[in-house]
Amino acid sequence: DQQVKQNSPSLSVQEGRISILNCDYTNSMFDYFLWYKKYPAEGPTFLISISSIKDKNEDGRFTVFLNKSAKHLSLHIVPSQPGDSAVYFCAASPYGNKLVFGAGTILRVKS
Amino acid sequence: KAGVTQTPRYLIKTRGQQVTLSCSPISGHRSVSWYQQTPGQGLQFLFEYFSETQRNKGNFPGRFSGRQFSNSRSEMNVSTLELGDSALYLCASSLVGSGGPELGTQYFGPGTRLLVL
Repeated sequence: DQQVKQNSPSLSVQEGRISILNCDYTNSMFDYFLWYKKYPAEGPTFLISISSIKDKNEDGRFTVFLNKSAKHLSLHIVPSQPGDSAVYFCAASPYGNKLVFGAGTILRVKS
Repeated sequence: KAGVTQTPRYLIKTRGQQVTLSCSPISGHRSVSWYQQTPGQGLQFLFEYFSETQRNKGNFPGRFSGRQFSNSRSEMNVSTLELGDSALYLCASSLVGSGGPELGTQYFGPGTRLLVL
């Protein structure tokens, strides 16, 4: 049972445009959500997080939106840069540190 | 501040052997979690240690075990290795392991790539 779903395996965006990565979850006990970026042969790098009491969190070019009623979150990257090309993982936590990850979305930013 | 370190980075073992992986968390972090990444199953939670005690556990067989030392360093052990144990094993640390941002955000190490032949 996939509790966290990233339905788009890949996304291709032109440099300078907006990248929107989406994530859906099923467990209403999740109260903390995170996005990680991962390059091959490296560990995931933390990007941005949001707790369930908020609906938006910004950090530079990265913004995460949370829609609790739809059980949906998204990561916006503006403007997209070629160095953003990586695999992006959405993760959620019901309590403590037991992160549940989505399958990941490969982002390609074309210059 | 130094990041999470994991040793060794690469390991080749044969079926039936056992293996021990090591993780040193970010200085000051007391919670250490372990994850397994495979192409088929993605990133899956193994277990979490806090103050030398296992606090959370994922759905893995008892062949997978771990421990945490008083300096927060952690080790993970896999006994009687199977071919399906070939994976990238990731360690992550956080300040206290819960409480949302600042306190619970996990930072990952580079991983140990295990190949079982």
